[in-house]
Amino acid sequence: DAKTTQPNSMESNEEEPVHLPCNHSTISGTDYIHWYRQLPSQGPEYVIHGLTSNVNNRMASLAIAEDRKSSTLILHRATLRDAAVYYCILRGPGANNLFFGTGTRLTVIP
Amino acid sequence: ETGVTQTPRHLVMGMTNKKSLKCEQHLGHNAMYWYKQSAKKPLELMFVYNFKEQTENNSVPSRFSPECPNSSHLFLHLHTLQPEDSALYLCASSQELGSGRLEQFFGPGTRLTVL
Repeated sequence: DAKTTQPNSMESNEEEPVHLPCNHSTISGTDYIHWYRQLPSQGPEYVIHGLTSNVNNRMASLAIAEDRKSSTLILHRATLRDAAVYYCILRGPGANNLFFGTGTRLTVIP
Repeated sequence: ETGVTQTPRHLVMGMTNKKSLKCEQHLGHNAMYWYKQSAKKPLELMFVYNFKEQTENNSVPSRFSPECPNSSHLFLHLHTLQPEDSALYLCASSQELGSGRLEQFFGPGTRLTVL
């Protein structure tokens, strides 16, 4: 699996937007970019995924660079419940598992 | 609620005990997974099942024995564990295998402590 690079930690003020970056310079043309998050004492939770175009859902937006070597997860208004570890994962065809890496720990400041 | 339930949520066992972890998914998925999350380490895939057949064993010691009687249920039988096996054990499911676009749905996990 191609690897991703994320900052270890980030902080955000409550009700402000958060941009979580991810670099994936070795991404292949068939790899989807997935984001998951893991809240304290819970299992990982799917957030969003995309291939080439930007994506929006009720939880977040995903902005994908034109060369697909990086992406950004956007939380439009951070809440205290968004404090979690966010994982950026590449998933290609035939990949059965998710390689989680160490993720970005997001702290939301009231 | 992700549609994947795990029981028990917490388990303490001695090294000579035998116990089982249970996972059930109510999503109609065909693929199920066991992951292990140790303290300060990334999640590690343990086993993958597709239509009740094991398709992947990620070099897991034989003291962990999975069972998948049907597409909705997955068990992890534990025996003669070591203290270093203490971890959060997570079950997940997905609609099918081999598609990069499909998400996995995780249960809340079983926090296992081996004394």
